[in-house]
Amino acid sequence: NAGVTQTPKFQVLKTGQSMTLQCAQDMNHNSMYWYRQDPGMGLRLIYYSASEGTTDKGEVPNGYNVSRLNKREFSLRLESAAPSQTSVYFCASNGGNPGETQYFGPGTRLLVL
Amino acid sequence: SQQGEEDPQALSIQEGENATMNCSYKTSINNLQWYRQNSGRGLVHLILIRSNEREKHSGRLRVTLDTSKKSSSLLITASRAADTASYFCATDPIYNFNKFYFGSGTKLNVKP
Repeated sequence: NAGVTQTPKFQVLKTGQSMTLQCAQDMNHNSMYWYRQDPGMGLRLIYYSASEGTTDKGEVPNGYNVSRLNKREFSLRLESAAPSQTSVYFCASNGGNPGETQYFGPGTRLLVL
Repeated sequence: SQQGEEDPQALSIQEGENATMNCSYKTSINNLQWYRQNSGRGLVHLILIRSNEREKHSGRLRVTLDTSKKSSSLLITASRAADTASYFCATDPIYNFNKFYFGSGTKLNVKP
């Protein structure tokens, strides 16, 4: 099993460009999450999907959209990238039951110039 | 913000010493988890402690939870150079089912 995979690993964008970060999991998990991690800081939740077809905002949703394409895939879209969105983005998943461990992908490093 | 705060922000010790890091949070929780992050990598789950538990052990890890003080500590005994990483606590607030809030992390450096 690959676990949680993310593409791309690294991306450079110009201000105003758009892009979609892809995340997939092969653990048959119900819940999936997108976080951002800024230098020297912890993770902040951007969006969350409890199950296929549902999404919910986290702490820092502004400037992002998400799609839970199916049970396996959860994508994050930046419609008009800004330098403030330079960060490392992590996708995670779990079964969705209280207190379950989250399993993390390797991250996508995004630089917005 | 519901995020926890970790203390200290950075910790440098010699191999074989114990490392203690603390986490404080703001709201009532279902559980608290500790994660480890090696430089440039994703987070890896270490241990979970439920709100009705006070202490939990896993190998060289010992976690305590004091819900009255809204704080937790992670103790790594007999540290090794391979323990060098950042450590984060994550809380699962009662009112916000299965949405996790991460602390700012403690960066641990274990010198060989």
